[in-house]
Amino acid sequence: AQKITQTQPGMFVQEKEAVTLDCTYDTSDPSYGLFWYKQPSSGEMIFLIYQGSYDQQNATEGRYSLNFQKARKSANLVISASQLGDSAMYFCAMREGQGDYKLSFGAGTTVTVRA
Amino acid sequence: DSGVTQTPKHLITATGQRVTLRCSPRSGDLSVYWYQQSLDQGLQFLIQYYNGEERAKGNILERFSAQQFPDLHSELNLSSLELGDSALYFCASSTRLGYNEQFFGPGTRLTVL
Repeated sequence: AQKITQTQPGMFVQEKEAVTLDCTYDTSDPSYGLFWYKQPSSGEMIFLIYQGSYDQQNATEGRYSLNFQKARKSANLVISASQLGDSAMYFCAMREGQGDYKLSFGAGTTVTVRA
Repeated sequence: DSGVTQTPKHLITATGQRVTLRCSPRSGDLSVYWYQQSLDQGLQFLIQYYNGEERAKGNILERFSAQQFPDLHSELNLSSLELGDSALYFCASSTRLGYNEQFFGPGTRLTVL
């Protein structure tokens, strides 16, 4: 079964508007972490934001915020005030447990920001 | 710049050959992870090392092996290469055991012809 599901293969957003990228996850482990990474066309993976399963508040990093709904097992990324440089592939990932720390990635969502 | 370096950036080789990909983690990071990104499989975890010891294994083929050296740099060895091994190979590092974040290198793009 897929551990991370990203159902939106591609999205268009107008510059300066907000966009929400969906991510749902599947784990039975009470301790886990959720990550979002950005991959521009140049190929590098850029860490954006992290949410721990025990964190009481939603994570925020500048224009990025994570809408964490634990009961629904969702960890949506919100990008506010979109910029042309936000055009990229975005990946949701999960680390489970406290043993090994590998990340399981979703299929990604391509975001295109229009001027 | 994440502080993780990978060499080479691009690698073109033929089927049946062997290649070595190199990764230097961020200064102070003890944990190194290798991931493969391909069009059909997406991003997949291959293997993790922590302070020189293998820590976890993912869907790594038997033709692939890795090691982490005393200076903490890591090498991923790919042998008997097949067309399907063409992919972007990432190395990531973290301070402890990747609890909060893993920083990715720029990747090595391997093309097998």
